[in-house]
Amino acid sequence: DTGVSQDPRHKITKRGQNVTFRCDPISEHNRLYWYRQTLGQGPEFLTYFQNEAQLEKSRLLSDRFSAERPKGSFSTLEIQRTEQGDSAMYLCASSTGPTPQHFGDGTRLSIL
Amino acid sequence: DQQVKQNSPSLSVQEGRISILNCDYTNSMFDYFLWYKKYPAEGPTFLISISSIKDKNEDGRFTVFLNKSAKHLSLHIVPSQPGDSAVYFCAASADGGATNKLIFGTGTLLAVQP
Repeated sequence: DTGVSQDPRHKITKRGQNVTFRCDPISEHNRLYWYRQTLGQGPEFLTYFQNEAQLEKSRLLSDRFSAERPKGSFSTLEIQRTEQGDSAMYLCASSTGPTPQHFGDGTRLSIL
Repeated sequence: DQQVKQNSPSLSVQEGRISILNCDYTNSMFDYFLWYKKYPAEGPTFLISISSIKDKNEDGRFTVFLNKSAKHLSLHIVPSQPGDSAVYFCAASADGGATNKLIFGTGTLLAVQP
């Protein structure tokens, strides 16, 4: 499978806990994006990496959110002190061009 | 403020007929537009895109039309097939996509009836 891989597919946690998601992009794709999708809405941009550099962040990405892409390969998205409003599908995408063309199947986060 | 709007939450079409999905935008700085298809429990899949310097782009059964003066674009699927049943998202970006940030609409659920 050479697509974008996300792990886990589903995460259930209690409010206040920390969670971390992983994204493995298509190899040789230097651009990596994180989006968030809530029910009935389209995906919303969170952040963007080119290689290991985080070049753009949305104001949706509060201080509780942090994303990394060490060595320019896989990426992690961490949410600290989760809140009910963090419940969503977190999507990762990668590309070689300026817009995301290949999305993963997402990690669905459910906050109890 | 919804900058990209898909006002039809759902559309039902008979197999073999044309499906027309519509999208309106408000930001005149948008100059690159994309359509994605999404099946349940899967991530969005890129379908087709169009730059604002064009008014039409065609790829097989899929054609996107752009009307800049009306700030409107549409996706035509001809002929429609049952496998086309999915949620379709319209997305837009400014600076030819160089901002790396796409603004998505809320999606239209297309059901193609056999």
